[in-house]
Amino acid sequence: DQQVKQNSPSLSVQEGRISILNCDYTNSMFDYFLWYKKYPAEGPTFLISISSIKDKNEDGRFTVFLNKSAKHLSLHIVPSQPGDSAVYFCAAGNSGNTPLVFGKGTRLSVIA
Amino acid sequence: NAGVTQTPKFRILKIGQSMTLQCTQDMNHNYMYWYRQDPGMGLKLIYYSVGAGITDKGEVPNGYNVSRSTTEDFPLRLELAAPSQTSVYFCASSLSGDSYEQYFGPGTRLTVT
Repeated sequence: DQQVKQNSPSLSVQEGRISILNCDYTNSMFDYFLWYKKYPAEGPTFLISISSIKDKNEDGRFTVFLNKSAKHLSLHIVPSQPGDSAVYFCAAGNSGNTPLVFGKGTRLSVIA
Repeated sequence: NAGVTQTPKFRILKIGQSMTLQCTQDMNHNYMYWYRQDPGMGLKLIYYSVGAGITDKGEVPNGYNVSRSTTEDFPLRLELAAPSQTSVYFCASSLSGDSYEQYFGPGTRLTVT
């Protein structure tokens, strides 16, 4: 039973355009959501997060949107750059200190 | 700060052998985690620790053991390696359970043949 789902295994975007990565969750107890970025042969690195009291969080070119009623979040990257090519993991947790649950990841390719 | 370090980077084991994956963090984080990532899959939690002397099972603990004798170190032990344990293993740490930002090591690629 996947509590965090990233239904698109891969996404290809032209440089300069917007990349939109999607994530759905099933557990309504989740109240904190994160995106991690992973390059080959490296560990994941934290990118951006959002708590359930917000519906948007922005950090430079990266914006995360949260739709609690739909149990859906998305990561927008504008403008996309070739260096953004990586696997992006969505993760969710709750204030009960239970460990994070990760999605399977979406591989983003930004084409120059 | 080195962050989270893992050794070895690569290892090939024969079925039935044992080994210990080492993980050390120098950020004085209380929480530490072990994940495995299989091809095309997300990160699955094997074990975690909320502090020295305290460990707990994650989603996929079978075939593994951990210990946490110090804040810095969180080794993962594989006993009687099986082909199903072929995976990439990541160690991570966070300041607390409320601090969801986890810092990951570079990973250990393990092949069991």
